[in-house]
Amino acid sequence: DADVTQTPRNRITKTGKRIMLECSQTKGHDRMYWYRQDPGLGLRLIYYSFDVKDINKGEISDGYSVSRQAQAKFSLSLESAIPNQTALYFCATSESLAGDLTDTQYFGPGTRLTVL
Amino acid sequence: AQTVTQSQPEMSVQEAETVTLSCTYDTSESDYYLFWYKQPPSRQMILVIRQEAYKQQNATENRFSVNFQKAAKSFSLKISDSQLGDAAMYFCAYRRGEYSGGGADGLTFGKGTHLIIQP
Repeated sequence: DADVTQTPRNRITKTGKRIMLECSQTKGHDRMYWYRQDPGLGLRLIYYSFDVKDINKGEISDGYSVSRQAQAKFSLSLESAIPNQTALYFCATSESLAGDLTDTQYFGPGTRLTVL
Repeated sequence: AQTVTQSQPEMSVQEAETVTLSCTYDTSESDYYLFWYKQPPSRQMILVIRQEAYKQQNATENRFSVNFQKAAKSFSLKISDSQLGDAAMYFCAYRRGEYSGGGADGLTFGKGTHLIIQP
């Protein structure tokens, strides 16, 4: 079974609709992240969470919100989707380990979202 | 703010040959980490190799190695004995270290290099 899962894997929606993308992990990591990937732009950070009580905005948080329901679950919401939010969305996790400061991030399989 | 630049949008190499992908970054921090991720057509992001800035020794993982030039802020990836399965987008990424206040910082990515392997 995959350590980091994302649902749905693909979604087509219309402008103005509310959309939630979900991420779950079985790695037991405390840190979780949401990224967006656009063609030719690489990945950009939307939000990140240090733990259940900690939520932080990333580079491109406007138009998005998040919820950390539990250590293992981190959801991304688009309250009113617009076409320029069409992109590939990735969830990632990492663990703060004493003595291992590299904090490598492990990515989910991605959700392809299309807003018409 | 830190930036990561990959100046080669696309590279092509013959199978079994060696190819080097370039990456430069800009930061004022002394504590940071650098990564190369691979994204095949399946779109999964796969960690290839990582480098701690405080380490002078270049990281190596099997056929993959880096040339880390800290003063020049350069972090290139060398793939030896290229295989068809190496065909993918390759992303260079940066993260501040804990001692630079990085904490749970996300990664800053370059725009990627599309690697084509010619059979």
